[in-house]
Amino acid sequence: EVQLVESGGGSVQPGGSLRLSCVASGFSFSSYEFTWVRQAPGKGLEWVAYISIGGAIIYYGDSVKGRFTISRDKAKNSLDLQMNSLRAEDTAVYYCARCYDSSGYSAFDMWGQGTMVTVSS
Amino acid sequence: SYVLTQPPSVSVAPGETARITCGGNKIGTKSVHWYQQKPGQAPVLVIDYDTDRPSGIPERFSGSNSGNTATLTITWVEAGDEADYFCQVWDGSIDQVIFGGGTKLTVL
Repeated sequence: EVQLVESGGGSVQPGGSLRLSCVASGFSFSSYEFTWVRQAPGKGLEWVAYISIGGAIIYYGDSVKGRFTISRDKAKNSLDLQMNSLRAEDTAVYYCARCYDSSGYSAFDMWGQGTMVTVSS
Repeated sequence: SYVLTQPPSVSVAPGETARITCGGNKIGTKSVHWYQQKPGQAPVLVIDYDTDRPSGIPERFSGSNSGNTATLTITWVEAGDEADYFCQVWDGSIDQVIFGGGTKLTVL
């Protein structure tokens, strides 16, 4: 089955760390770019990070720059998001999504089911 | 940074046409993508590159983009179309993705 499955969410105290993973199956992971998008409870979508096919090109949203790190593991067909110095405002459902193409202006044509991250004392 | 503006809500009766707008400075020069999100579910791509419909998306869904406004049009609206809709672009000047605030479509 063609899918993305996230894991690693949970509850953490402010200032703590969490690592999210997204495993791809049913398609050629190495042929696609990926992104992370989050959604705070009752709010809209907020883009978090992007990684190119080879991993050499990485972009971050302003709210997570310097705290979050996106990476990918070809051997594991996995996309990761290392989140450090977590804040209450990072509380959200985190989705991994596949970029439709490598145009530089791509849509996100496949999404995981999401994993919830709660930052609270 | 680049801002996309969507109306918070749009309401239509079944069988009517819903138009959801996405405003941005010279958005007509950018590629706009649209997503549908139902409660408790992940977003689904319904229109990419302004006007293209991914496989499996009904022909009732269409898009346009010109000037300062992109529009998602849903004809013959059904109860199952009730959802939040988000527009999205890439801001190439700062290498970031921008989402609109979202529009809640209510089918009366």
